[in-house]
Formats: sequence, structure tokens, C-alpha cells
Amino acid sequence: DSGVTQTPKHLITATGQRVTLRCSPRSGDLSVYWYQQSLDQGLQFLIQYYNGEERAKGNILERFSAQQFPDLHSELNLSSLELGDSALYFCASSAPPLYNEQFFGPGTRLTVL
Amino acid sequence: AQTVTQSQPEMSVQEAETVTLSCTYDTSESNYYLFWYKQPPSRQMILVIRQEAYKQQNATENRFSVNFQKAAKSFSLKISDSQLGDTAMYFCAFGDNTNAGKSTFGDGTTLTVKP
Repeated sequence: DSGVTQTPKHLITATGQRVTLRCSPRSGDLSVYWYQQSLDQGLQFLIQYYNGEERAKGNILERFSAQQFPDLHSELNLSSLELGDSALYFCASSAPPLYNEQFFGPGTRLTVL
Repeated sequence: AQTVTQSQPEMSVQEAETVTLSCTYDTSESNYYLFWYKQPPSRQMILVIRQEAYKQQNATENRFSVNFQKAAKSFSLKISDSQLGDTAMYFCAFGDNTNAGKSTFGDGTTLTVKP
């Protein structure tokens, strides 16, 4: 158990809908990262937050947005969902001094029908 | 921008034997970290081993060790005495200290340990 929690574990929805994925980082971790992993693919970095502020952005679609709240939990919002958005979405967190050592949550499996 | 290349999409090894997974990276940074993550069929991402670029000594964690060649920008993972539970996808990752922890991942190598 990495200490990072993600809810829900599974999510099934229809095209055009909007969903919110939630992540709670390890206690004390200020950085949160979101990744997308499509079936049998590598990890695509979406976005990073550090202590409530956006720090880095990857290949995140305009239909997707995220935020980190004062209690440090983070939410990833996916809207106007398409079939191709079906994937495993990971959240990871890290803390100084080794910011790069990321601890991953179990992921949320999103299925868009 | 940093890049990480894993040139072996798939590999297999017999149980109890040794296997080496390759990873190369490209960066202009001098201070950085390298990681290997394991993703078993459960899809959980698990950190296997970490190497600090300023350390010449190769990192070791039980049956897992790395061969870090900084000049060649190479970072391979050696798994000794392979076990069935090592069957997983392995990702090499690069992290620098200039972007507060953003890491770049390779495309992964799927390793199958055969009985």
C-alpha cells in the first residue's frame, strides 16, 4: 500500500458525460501528479500540482481539468467524454527532498460506452 | 526536453535465471534521478529501485540491481534469480530537480517469467 488513495476504483459512463476522479496523496506529500494509461500503453503525464498550484502540464486535453484543494487532495475532471478516454487514470504523490520518487495510487479504471 | 527509451517491448526469461532490461535517456541536466517501476497484472505501479545521478555506485535492492552508465546515458535493470512474481511491465523513469518532480517515463518492457 503506497498510502495514496483514489476513488472510485471503477467508473462506467456514457459518451458526452462528465466525471470526477479523486485522489488523496500520502500524508505530508505536497505534489500530486495525474497520469493516463490506455490499454497496454505507457504512462501519459497529464498534469502536476504542488501545494495547490499547477506546476507542470503534459498532454492534457482541454476537456480535462484538475485542481488541488487546501487539504491537498486533488480532483481530475473529465468532460464531454469520448470512447478514447477509456483508460486507467493514476494519481501519484511525492515529497521533498526526492520530488521525483513518486508513489502511485491504485488507479481509477474509466470505461466510456 | 528529456526522453527515455526502452528498446525492448517484450522479454522473457526462465525462472531462476537472470535478465537485463535496457533503458537509455537523453538530458542536458547533471543532477537527476532514475527509477525503475514495476507494473504487475494488478496494474499497481510499484517503485523497484532508484539511482541518484551523482552517485557512482550502482543501486541494489535484493535481487534487483542497476547498471548506471552516466556518460553513455544508460540505466539498465538486472533481475537475478527471476521469480514468477516478477512477471510485469517495467517502466524506466527519469526525474530532474528543475521542475519540482516531473518525471518522464519510457514506454515500458513487458517481462514474462516462464516456469
